[in-house]
Formats: sequence, structure tokens, C-alpha cells
Amino acid sequence: SQTIHQWPATLVQPVGSPLSLECTVEGTSNPNLYWYRQAAGRGLQLLFYSVGIGQISSEVPQNLSASRPQDRQFILSSKKLLLSDSGFYLCASSGRKGQYFGPGTRLLVL
Amino acid sequence: KNQVEQSPQSLIILEGKNCTLQCNYTVSPFSNLRWYKQDTGRGPVSLTIMTFSENTKSNGRYTATLDADTKQSSLHITASQLSDSASYICVVWASSGGSYIPTFGRGTSLIVHP
Repeated sequence: SQTIHQWPATLVQPVGSPLSLECTVEGTSNPNLYWYRQAAGRGLQLLFYSVGIGQISSEVPQNLSASRPQDRQFILSSKKLLLSDSGFYLCASSGRKGQYFGPGTRLLVL
Repeated sequence: KNQVEQSPQSLIILEGKNCTLQCNYTVSPFSNLRWYKQDTGRGPVSLTIMTFSENTKSNGRYTATLDADTKQSSLHITASQLSDSASYICVVWASSGGSYIPTFGRGTSLIVHP
């Protein structure tokens, strides 16, 4: 079955600092990959999705960017974090075998 | 605009009771509908997945229904347990040109009391 790894699990960063969250997928090839943010008390918001290496689509304008350097690697980045970037970030993979979510990264920007 | 509305927003029930969660959607072109359970601080876990032609699907004590004509789905939980306390999220997937795009409901927060 498919497994999604995310790290770190928790991150506390100062405002203005850079960010890099990594997601890797096992058990599938050529998946569609997704980054979501879940703010406290709110639903999941799709940030980016990717259908292949180097192919990134952004769903909402924001302070973040995404990259897919390898088939099963998806990276979420920011050059300068804002307070509003705090939240729970989930990576997900979708392919023929279904859709799976990673364990999430809790980001707190102070 | 694709939308998924869930109700109720929150629900409190006693252990052993049944409950039903609702999901209404306007998503096109429809590919499939999935219900997820999300424990606090964790990623969502898939409970059921239903395509256009499926009306009912069960997974243990969870039974999901889909009415593609009225664009409604429900998740029925039978004989609730304390461990059912979680957020239940309805996700409707649209398929377009080989891409699969999900639209998420805000979720129903379920609390099961002993």
C-alpha cells in the first residue's frame, strides 16, 4: 500500500524566516501530489497540486511555493514566513490505488 | 464554482447511539466522493470511496450513501464508540484532463460521550 512521509512533524519558526517542508511517497509511481493547509477550526484548503515532475499548479495566491524535483518528492517552501502561514500542512497522493494523506506538519510562526 | 457543504457542523451523541452526517455538493465533472475520518492533529484516513454508479458502500460500522441525482451523500455510523470522536470530512473529486482535483467540505466534528 501507499505510504506518505512528511517531516518535520512540528515546526516553530520566527516571522520572516524561510520554510521547507518535505513530502515523499512510497508504494506508487507517477502519483498526483497535493499540499493542503488546515487552519485551526477550518477545513482543508488545497494549496498546490502536481501531476508530474516539475509540474505545479497553484490553487490560491499566497506566500508559499511548491516544487517537485522527483516523481515521489514534493516540497513546500517559503522565502519569508508570515504569521498567517501558521497551520497544519498535509501532503496527499492520489493514484490508481486511491488517495492517501501524510501525517501532517504542524507549523507555528511566531 | 465547486462546493461541498456538510451538516451538521458539530454533533454530540452518547456511546452506542447511531448518527448520520450529511454532505451536499456541486462539483463537476464528478469523479468520486470520499469520506474521511480525521483525528485531532493527524492526517485524514479514508473510510469509503464511491463512484457515480454506486449508491451504498459499507466499511464496518460506517455506511456511506450517494445520490448522484440530488448530489447528496450521507455517512451513517452505527453503534458509536468513544473512538469515533473525530472530524468527518466529505471530499468530492472532479476529473478533468487527467487531473484529479478535490473539493473539501469543512467537516463535521463528532463527539461521542460515554
